[in-house]
Amino acid sequence: GAGVSQSPSNKVTEKGKDVELRCDPISGHTALYWYRQRLGQGLEFLIYFQGNSAPDKSGLPSDRFSAERTGESVSTLTIQRTQQEDSAVYLCASSLDDSEQYFGPGTRLTVT
Amino acid sequence: KQEVTQIPAALSVPEGENLVLNCSFTDSAIYNLQWFRQDPGKGLTSLLLIQSSQREQTSGRLNASLDKSSGRSTLYIAASQPGDSATYLCAVRPHRGSTLGRLYFGRGTQLTVWP
Repeated sequence: GAGVSQSPSNKVTEKGKDVELRCDPISGHTALYWYRQRLGQGLEFLIYFQGNSAPDKSGLPSDRFSAERTGESVSTLTIQRTQQEDSAVYLCASSLDDSEQYFGPGTRLTVT
Repeated sequence: KQEVTQIPAALSVPEGENLVLNCSFTDSAIYNLQWFRQDPGKGLTSLLLIQSSQREQTSGRLNASLDKSSGRSTLYIAASQPGDSATYLCAVRPHRGSTLGRLYFGRGTQLTVWP
């Protein structure tokens, strides 16, 4: 069956531009998570959705980062006024309630 | 705050060896623990999930154990193969509470199995 998909797979943007990253979770998965992995570092949690609400936004690094989820399916992570330190692989995961988390292939963001 | 540590950071072994990767966590109040593998430039593939009430899980040549009281998990890989070369990540999910949902990850063990 279909897994978690993310688009685009790669994004190169100029410093100061806004970017939108998309995640399509596994159908029926109520929970959705965003993480990021900067080069040579571990995975950092960004935000967690349960349905359409976000009970945990504690990992968003600044107010330039925001995310939304509509219809208990697709989620969009938006980064405004991108900075070079935002360069990373952004990973999305989904799960059925409290069970195993399944990850997408990630979006590699490069800010020049 | 939960902290997850993985030892060793890197491991290089000849094909056929049995391996043990270690993971430790500071807060024993976990809901479950998950082992992943990550290939270069790729996302994470879930290998095993152990619930807090379980002591171990097995899948093929992989066996993961959990000792919640001591804050430790091990991933045992039997008869390693070059295709096992990847970074192995350990992640814990906190017990139900205000931070329900998120995983806390270790930095990973980079495994190289040479022919």
